[in-house]
Amino acid sequence: RKEVEQDPGPFNVPEGATVAFNCTYSNSASQSFFWYRQDCRKEPKLLMSVYSSGNEDGRFTAQLNRASQYISLLIRDSKLSDSATYLCVVGGSSYKLIFGSGTRLLVRP
Amino acid sequence: GAVVSQHPSRVICKSGTSVKIECRSLDFQATTMFWYRQFPKKSLMLMATSNEGSKATYEQGVEKDKFLINHASLTLSTLTVTSAHPEDSSFYICSAKGTSGRADTQYFGPGTRLTVL
Repeated sequence: RKEVEQDPGPFNVPEGATVAFNCTYSNSASQSFFWYRQDCRKEPKLLMSVYSSGNEDGRFTAQLNRASQYISLLIRDSKLSDSATYLCVVGGSSYKLIFGSGTRLLVRP
Repeated sequence: GAVVSQHPSRVICKSGTSVKIECRSLDFQATTMFWYRQFPKKSLMLMATSNEGSKATYEQGVEKDKFLINHASLTLSTLTVTSAHPEDSSFYICSAKGTSGRADTQYFGPGTRLTVL
């Protein structure tokens, strides 16, 4: 079983739509969680950290369910510029980051 | 935000040659740097953790004699792919962790795309 699992997509949505991505992780001892965004042939960029209480940053909302070992990302009012691959990332020991394989989002006009 | 650079951004080499990739933290001191590899449509896979002044720690399945890592200063780590072969063609990305701020925040370099002919 992979340490971090995501639906690869692609999710193809119209502008203005709301879209949600899910992710599960296998290590119940994990303490830190993130969503990164990666554009084609570029490095990943931190989108947001995910906290137990859930957190929101503009159109983006992240949720963490420790009991189910499940992380989600909700994007409201999708923009064309949101098209990218979204990586679910879990912090491991010694500050290591464990990446999911990513969920691809395509926002169409 | 913090800036991490990589050089070169792209390299094409012949099979059997060695390639050195540099990772620099430009405006902060990085006690720890990480080297990742990403194959097309795959996830980033951690190759090794590089700590300044000590030997790198390699992940399972990564050959330390093939992927030489040197972290000689707080702002520079290098990855040398020795005797490169076509299967080493990949996107190599480094990240750097600073000494302050959130412990788990890493700053990524722009990546180096290696093509071995």
